[in-house]
Amino acid sequence: KAGVTQTPRYLIKTRGQQVTLSCSPISGHRSVSWYQQTPGQGLQFLFEYFSETQRNKGNFPGRFSGRQFSNSRSEMNVSTLELGDSALYLCASSLDGRNGIRYTFGSGTRLTVV
Amino acid sequence: QQQVKQSPQSLIVQKGGISIINCAYENTAFDYFPWYQQFPGKGPALLIAIRPDVSEKKEGRFTISFNKSAKQFSLHIMDSQPGDSATYFCAATPSGNTPLVFGKGTRLSVIA
Repeated sequence: KAGVTQTPRYLIKTRGQQVTLSCSPISGHRSVSWYQQTPGQGLQFLFEYFSETQRNKGNFPGRFSGRQFSNSRSEMNVSTLELGDSALYLCASSLDGRNGIRYTFGSGTRLTVV
Repeated sequence: QQQVKQSPQSLIVQKGGISIINCAYENTAFDYFPWYQQFPGKGPALLIAIRPDVSEKKEGRFTISFNKSAKQFSLHIMDSQPGDSATYFCAATPSGNTPLVFGKGTRLSVIA
């Protein structure tokens, strides 16, 4: 059974640019959650999508957005990049996202903003 | 506002020793408490989880102890091995369709 696939693995962007990250969940999983991981703040919740609908949203500015497609694949977009957006972005899939049970994480996308 | 407080930030343990990582929470609605293990370059992986209706859960060398009245839970790694060297995260979530809230992590180094 294939795991959660995140692409690309690494990205370097310039301040002010925008970026799109992709996440393909485990087959059959309908919930995809996104987290930002930084050394100082740990893992912080961005948003969760279930059946193409955003079901939960964390405390991030509107520059961070996402969507989910009918095949459960998800993308997140960050516009007008800032230096502070440099982080590891992780997505996690689960069957239905209920209670955060049995998240399976991808290996993440390392974003560096210069 | 950090909802799950994890300590220590880093931990060095001798091979064969016991590693202990502690977490505390305030939200009494939390009812699922997993621990995740993360190796460099990888995403976190679920290690073990507990619900508040039990005080302890053991899986191999890993044990979660849960104290509902104190709102604390901890991970014990018995007979720690160099291969256990990783970052460990505790987490919690209440019932319903709500996301996991993570502690800030503990970097464990097991030295021979």
